[in-house]
Amino acid sequence: DGGITQSPKYLFRKEGQNVTLSCEQNLNHDAMYWYRQDPGQGLRLIYYSQIVNDFQKGDIAEGYSVSREKKESFPLTVTSAQKNPTAFYLCASSIFSPITSPLHFGNGTRLTVT
Amino acid sequence: AQSVTQLGSHVSVSEGALVLLRCNYSSSVPPYLFWYVQYPNQGLQLLLKYTSAATLVKGINGFEAEFKKSETSFHLTKPSAHMSDAAEYFCAVSDPETSGSRLTFGEGTQLTVNP
Repeated sequence: DGGITQSPKYLFRKEGQNVTLSCEQNLNHDAMYWYRQDPGQGLRLIYYSQIVNDFQKGDIAEGYSVSREKKESFPLTVTSAQKNPTAFYLCASSIFSPITSPLHFGNGTRLTVT
Repeated sequence: AQSVTQLGSHVSVSEGALVLLRCNYSSSVPPYLFWYVQYPNQGLQLLLKYTSAATLVKGINGFEAEFKKSETSFHLTKPSAHMSDAAEYFCAVSDPETSGSRLTFGEGTQLTVNP
């Protein structure tokens, strides 16, 4: 079955360490997204990519980096510059625009930094 | 920038009662609007969307929403709640400044269904 795989489900890191969250999709979707979810704040867009080798900053890109070297993969690196990295991270994809096709979400990675 | 506001972070209803989850948008141009649902420890899935066709939109699991331009609202309703409807619901709006390539989500409303 096609879908989005985020790994790992839970991730623990020490403060000051960079960490990379994996997101892989086999839906043949062009667009991919990273959202951060915090209680009471909904989902906030970190980065998105509409095509391979291109990506745009979302609303809260500071302290994060991404790459899109392959259509199927859109890894997110949480750097030590991110002031409050503990959160639930969701990866999503769509055929191209979320207006014409729904966002498909992974099951998320819960990152805890101590 | 466009935004949506969901009134009520928590809503509690009895099984069989009407579900009403509120969403208001701010937009200078006609928006595209969406409702997504999130079950515990999962990603979100699309319930329904408004894309300027019919103002009353029917979605999955018996949910529907009505676009009211005069009230800048897109409230989600279901006539009779079921225990399986317990989840978090998010309203979202497209951003015309990016040609609809991204969605902006509201804060979410946690729905509890009591037996």
